[in-house]
Amino acid sequence: NAGVTQTPKFQVLKTGQSMTLQCAQDMNHEYMSWYRQDPGMGLRLIHYSVGAGITDQGEVPNGYNVSRSTTEDFPLRLLSAAPSQTSVYFCASSYEAVPYEQYFGPGTRLTVT
Amino acid sequence: GNSVTQMEGPVTLSEEAFLTINCTYTATGYPSLFWYVQYPGEGLQLLLKATKADDKGSNKGFEATYRKETTSFHLEKGSVQVSDSAVYFCALSTGTASKLTFGTGTRLQVTL
Repeated sequence: NAGVTQTPKFQVLKTGQSMTLQCAQDMNHEYMSWYRQDPGMGLRLIHYSVGAGITDQGEVPNGYNVSRSTTEDFPLRLLSAAPSQTSVYFCASSYEAVPYEQYFGPGTRLTVT
Repeated sequence: GNSVTQMEGPVTLSEEAFLTINCTYTATGYPSLFWYVQYPGEGLQLLLKATKADDKGSNKGFEATYRKETTSFHLEKGSVQVSDSAVYFCALSTGTASKLTFGTGTRLQVTL
């Protein structure tokens, strides 16, 4: 199993550009989440999904869009990138809801100039 | 709302020293508590967890006890190794779905 995979590993965007961060898991997990990690702030939840076709907002959803058309994939879209979205983004998945273990991908480091 | 407070880092220890990283929380309801570890350049990995008061989570020599009376979940290890150098995150969850609330993380550096 590859576990949770994220692409790309690194990305530089200009302000106003859009892009999609990809996340895929091969563990047949129902639950998937996106977090951003900023210095001194830990990880904050952006969006999450409890199954295909079902998504909801987390703590910091503004400027991001998600969809879940399959169990395996959970892409995160930046609609119009802003410097405040410079961060490291982590995707996570779990078989069931917490307290089951969440498996994290290796992260995408995004810089918006 | 939920929140997690961790001791500020970085924490620098010599190999074989005793480690404590403090974590306290505020939560509605009865949270499950977690410690995640992030090694350089990698994603987070679950280190240990506890789901009810007085439970002790343990893994790889690390331990933490869920203390409801002090709303704490301090991480301890009796003898740290250089390979334990990483960032440690305390986290909690109170509801369904997979929503975790994280602390800010504590960087541990272990030297020879």
